[in-house]
Amino acid sequence: QSVLTQPPSVSEAPRQRVTISCSGSSSNIGNNAVNWYQQLPGKAPKLLIYYDDLLPSGVSDRFSGSKSGTSASLAISGLQSEDEADYYCAAWDDSLNDWVFGGGTKLTVL
Amino acid sequence: EVQLVESGGGLVQPGGSLRLSCAASGFTFSSYWMSWVRQAPGKGLEWVANIKQDGSEKYYVDSVKGRFTISRDNAKNSLYLQMNSLRAEDTAVYYCARDPSPAASYYGMDVWGQGTTVTVSS
Repeated sequence: QSVLTQPPSVSEAPRQRVTISCSGSSSNIGNNAVNWYQQLPGKAPKLLIYYDDLLPSGVSDRFSGSKSGTSASLAISGLQSEDEADYYCAAWDDSLNDWVFGGGTKLTVL
Repeated sequence: EVQLVESGGGLVQPGGSLRLSCAASGFTFSSYWMSWVRQAPGKGLEWVANIKQDGSEKYYVDSVKGRFTISRDNAKNSLYLQMNSLRAEDTAVYYCARDPSPAASYYGMDVWGQGTTVTVSS
């Protein structure tokens, strides 16, 4: 059982838009920034979004993040087959003194 | 090029020990917190431990407290994870990652290694 809650899977057609939710609590998302990671099949995770909604250099602007209260969302627009991956949200938890991750969401581009 | 390279994984019997290493290059290793994150087969990411630049602060996930020890050698640009009393549930790919520190968690873990596989089985 992960501290942060994500849907196990989402799917959408190419060129469409999809959102992935991430729910936490006051000790993690409510008090700290959310980061998102993309893990392509067989690869190491890659930082996709940091500080709730900022994109690292080189990340496509088709990706966007948002946060409200104790929940966050990742949106991907103009879906492409190369976006098929697992996506994880993460935040520091002040009560646990741990990094906490969501369980991950598998994105399928139909 | 900024790079992290893990090594030391392998097959170990339950109750055994293993020491993982992570070699850093392309950045000033001594200026960063570092983390270990693992991923069990077919499962999600689980943070394991992190360590401050000078080793004076360390945090661990509850499931490894008292069994795993994170350490670093800044002179060798290396991070370590000593794993004792290993259990089947410790079987995973172990990644090292550059950690922004709890106080700057908003930056995220921005550099990851390729991972090393640990299998605990008799």
